[in-house]
Amino acid sequence: ETGVTQSPTHLIKTRGQQVTLRCSSQSGHNTVSWYQQALGQGPQFIFQYYREEENGRGNFPPRFSGLQFPNYSSELNVNALELDDSALYLCASSLVAGSNNEQFFGPGTRLTVL
Amino acid sequence: AQSVAQPEDQVNVAEGNPLTVKCTYSVSGNPYLFWYVQYPNRGLQFLLKYITGDNLVKGSYGFEAEFNKSQTSFHLKKPSALVSDSALYFCAVGLMEYGNKLVFGAGTILRVKS
Repeated sequence: ETGVTQSPTHLIKTRGQQVTLRCSSQSGHNTVSWYQQALGQGPQFIFQYYREEENGRGNFPPRFSGLQFPNYSSELNVNALELDDSALYLCASSLVAGSNNEQFFGPGTRLTVL
Repeated sequence: AQSVAQPEDQVNVAEGNPLTVKCTYSVSGNPYLFWYVQYPNRGLQFLLKYITGDNLVKGSYGFEAEFNKSQTSFHLKKPSALVSDSALYFCAVGLMEYGNKLVFGAGTILRVKS
């Protein structure tokens, strides 16, 4: 069974640029959630995708957007990057959407915005 | 507002001694509670969850957690700590609103000394 994978591992961008982060969910999982983890903090929920549809969103501006593909992999896109966007971005997959289901996390993408 | 508190930034314990990492929560309705562990430069690993039933939940690597509804707590415990348990521990609550997101505490660093 393949776990959750994310790419790239690290990324450096400059303010105002755009970035795309990618996630492959664990085999058989149809739900993907994205989290932002700033240094020294707990992860913050960005949004969740279930069967290619957005299934809820946290307190993040519209320049944070996402996609889920038919194979349940997902992308997180961030436009007009700001310095505060520097963080570890975590993708998590779960078997089905539901708050009682454990989510399985990938290793994350470390984004640095200069 | 729904929230999770981990009152200790760091917990220090000697190897072989019991450990406790504290978590309290504030949610409306019945909570779904989780513990995750994060090792340096890694994603989060699921340890255990409480959904309903027995208040004592057993999880991975010998960890357990006790759900206390009256005290709104979900403390993580282990009878005998190992040096390899040293890591960052997060408590989280699962919420149906906003797309089944997990709300995380700020995390507690556990240091086990030999």
